[in-house]
Amino acid sequence: GQQLNQSPQSMFIQEGEDVSMNCTSSSIFNTWLWYKQDPGEGPVLLIALYKAGELTSNGRLTAQFGITRKDSFLNISASIPSDVGIYFCAGTIQGAQKLVFGQGTRLTINP
Amino acid sequence: KAGVTQTPRYLIKTRGQQVTLSCSPISGHRSVSWYQQTPGQGLQFLFEYFSETQRNKGNFPGRFSGRQFSNSRSEMNVSTLELGDSALYLCASSLGGPNSPLHFGNGTRLTVT
Repeated sequence: GQQLNQSPQSMFIQEGEDVSMNCTSSSIFNTWLWYKQDPGEGPVLLIALYKAGELTSNGRLTAQFGITRKDSFLNISASIPSDVGIYFCAGTIQGAQKLVFGQGTRLTINP
Repeated sequence: KAGVTQTPRYLIKTRGQQVTLSCSPISGHRSVSWYQQTPGQGLQFLFEYFSETQRNKGNFPGRFSGRQFSNSRSEMNVSTLELGDSALYLCASSLGGPNSPLHFGNGTRLTVT
């Protein structure tokens, strides 16, 4: 079953606003990954995190691997229309090799 | 470098039939994983193949099976289709190491009527 709690489920923002979403789990994760999925396409990898406390940026996107290894957040600064889509967190649990996904955050940008 | 390629993009089948989906990984990637995506259940792990061997398996019934060929290409088969099997089936490839990130294809949209 699902082991990642991702929030919020949906966000409605104005263009130019900053966005923050996060994932939490009761299990310890070895890696945290953030993906974005557009309609009709597969998820595209945005950021990969491998160490507790790691903070990584990819353009306007910043993600952090929580110190407890049980959470991660993704921030998007100065949102633009092409940021619209569904964002998924994913991670590998300690001792396992399969990737577990959160339920996704649907981002909508109001014109 | 070409990405992960899945064929076909769309399929319509009737209950009781079987279906085979195909996935060509990124060149040099030896691991292929399959996921089922539905609005209600999200992304659910089906199985992973590495060097032609199933290395990990999710909690799906035996009607779902797969295989991997020597060139790392993979196929997934679903037998005795049920209405609930309607979903987007995603294939992802990676180098296969414990922290290797997955790169996804655009999926096969399966509709069972």
